[in-house]
Amino acid sequence: KNEVEQSPQNLTAQEGEFITINCSYSVGISALHWLQQHPGGGIVSLFMLSSGKKKHGRLIATINIQEKHSSLHITASHPRDSAVYICAVGSRNNDMRFGAGTRLTVKP
Amino acid sequence: DTGVSQDPRHKITKRGQNVTFRCDPISEHNRLYWYRQTLGQGPEFLTYFQNEAQLEKSRLLSDRFSAERPKGSFSTLEIQRTEQGDSAMYLCASSPPGQPGNTIYFGEGSWLTVV
Repeated sequence: KNEVEQSPQNLTAQEGEFITINCSYSVGISALHWLQQHPGGGIVSLFMLSSGKKKHGRLIATINIQEKHSSLHITASHPRDSAVYICAVGSRNNDMRFGAGTRLTVKP
Repeated sequence: DTGVSQDPRHKITKRGQNVTFRCDPISEHNRLYWYRQTLGQGPEFLTYFQNEAQLEKSRLLSDRFSAERPKGSFSTLEIQRTEQGDSAMYLCASSPPGQPGNTIYFGEGSWLTVV
């Protein structure tokens, strides 16, 4: 079993839909990151969470430390949101463990 | 641009050749990470430096792989006697001093194709 599990693996939505991507982890963490990766490889950090909830524009990230679970929500999705979204956990040993990613396609 | 930069962005090499990738982190970031990512998978941790000290290495980092950060600034990742299974994107990232799990900044990656 991977230390970081994401679901779903692939997600197709219509423009405007509300999207949720889930992440569960099994290791002790110091922080959880949501990353966005576009074709070509560049990775952008969207959020870093250690508790609670963060919001940035149409993106919302939540984390439940007790349940070892985090969600990334996208409201009013848009085709430009199409990307791979990766959950990563920063362990107390300073390395990071990544989920396999969720490939999101938003259709106009 | 003061982001994490990697060079080269793309490298095609014949099996058995050696390749070296360079990463220049954001200045004053003391932590530097190398990851490997294959198609359809999330990145996998390879190694981690704090300043010039290599503090952790993954089991994925075989004897053919070596990473250095001699002056605590840029880092190099060398792969000797490349194999086709080494084909992947090699990602570098850096983060500033402070608590583990600080915001991490990624480079654009270096794509390696071994033919």
